[in-house]
Amino acid sequence: DGGITQSPKYLFRKEGQNVTLSCEQNLNHDAMYWYRQDPGQGLRLIYYSQIVNDFQKGDIAEGYSVSREKKESFPLTVTSAQKNPTAFYLCASSPWGQGAAYGYTFGSGTRLTVV
Amino acid sequence: KNEVEQSPQNLTAQEGEFITINCSYSVGISALHWLQQHPGGGIVSLFMLSSGKKKHGRLIATINIQEKHSSLHITASHPRDSAVYICAVSLRGSGSRLTFGEGTQLTVNP
Repeated sequence: DGGITQSPKYLFRKEGQNVTLSCEQNLNHDAMYWYRQDPGQGLRLIYYSQIVNDFQKGDIAEGYSVSREKKESFPLTVTSAQKNPTAFYLCASSPWGQGAAYGYTFGSGTRLTVV
Repeated sequence: KNEVEQSPQNLTAQEGEFITINCSYSVGISALHWLQQHPGGGIVSLFMLSSGKKKHGRLIATINIQEKHSSLHITASHPRDSAVYICAVSLRGSGSRLTFGEGTQLTVNP
């Protein structure tokens, strides 16, 4: 079955360390997204990619980096520059363009805790 | 002011009650989504609307484009409906990006 796989489900990081969250999809979607969720707040866009080897900053990109070397994969690195990284991170994918709304699919998320 | 506002933020109901969650948005959209998030965190898409009304089982979603308003109804609610319900919109001109409401925490007691 097609879908999005995020790993790991729970992640603990020491302050000052970089950490990479994995997101893989087998839906043949062009677009992939990373969102962050904090308690009591809506999901906010960190980065998105419309096509391989291209990505754009979202609303809260500072302290994060991404790559899109393959259509199926869109890993997110939370760097030590991110001042408050403890949050729930959600990956999503969709077609791009007019039909995108019909194909939006979400992963199961990664809960990152800085200790 | 958020571009997408949901109400109520929290809702507690007794099993069997009819439930309504509201979503208002302030900008032009190409589509509106209703999503469900369970305690584990994963999100499931319930509906995607650009006009009118959709029904799936006990769930009904409506949208009024002129009033920039959508509602999600749950008939004959059940404890397993307890979850966070999220409204999200595809803003016109923003491609496939979604803008999310803060969510409504629904608890249905037996």
